[in-house]
Amino acid sequence: GAGVSQSPSNKVTEKGKDVELRCDPISGHTALYWYRQSLGQGLEFLIYFQGNSAPDKSGLPSDRFSAERTGGSVSTLTIQRTQQEDSAVYLCASSSPGNQPQHFGDGTRLSIL
Amino acid sequence: GESVGLHLPTLSVQEGDNSIINCAYSNSASDYFIWYKQESGKGPQFIIDIRSNMDKRQGQRVTVLLNKTVKHLSLQIAATQPGDSAVYFCAEIPKKNQGGKLIFGQGTELSVKP
Repeated sequence: GAGVSQSPSNKVTEKGKDVELRCDPISGHTALYWYRQSLGQGLEFLIYFQGNSAPDKSGLPSDRFSAERTGGSVSTLTIQRTQQEDSAVYLCASSSPGNQPQHFGDGTRLSIL
Repeated sequence: GESVGLHLPTLSVQEGDNSIINCAYSNSASDYFIWYKQESGKGPQFIIDIRSNMDKRQGQRVTVLLNKTVKHLSLQIAATQPGDSAVYFCAEIPKKNQGGKLIFGQGTELSVKP
């Protein structure tokens, strides 16, 4: 379909390993967002990309978290040296140049053993 | 600090009844509000939005009301159906938030009894 696509849908890994999560935004959307959702909680902002501007990284919880957006389209969220508290659903959203509303993918459910 | 919160964590209604989900926000400078529906295992799905220069906006079976005086937002669902069962989140964007990142509430779980 034409929605936001995220992969993998589920990821189980051992504590201390690095993980990469991928997001394909809706074609033509210049804004891309990453959020984190812990069990039974609301969404927590992580990072935001808008066109060629410097990303807003103000929501990243630690320097183990980083994200890239190549060619203004696909984005990768990387978590290094994963910890158990990183277990959550990681959601990606994109929006048109007018910024709203944001359209979400179905997320990557990350479990750290 | 800034927050968007929901009054009730769960709401149970009978099929066919109207549902009202409430949300309080703390930032009086917020410019834009949005409601999302999230089903189990899925990402949030856009329902309806409203800007701060409006008091009411209607969609298909849904109405959002904004009371800026008491900083309160509500989502009304008419003739609630079993398919409406989900968690509903309100979110806001403060005017100072140039990046458009959303601040989410904790969510209300709506359960529709047949």
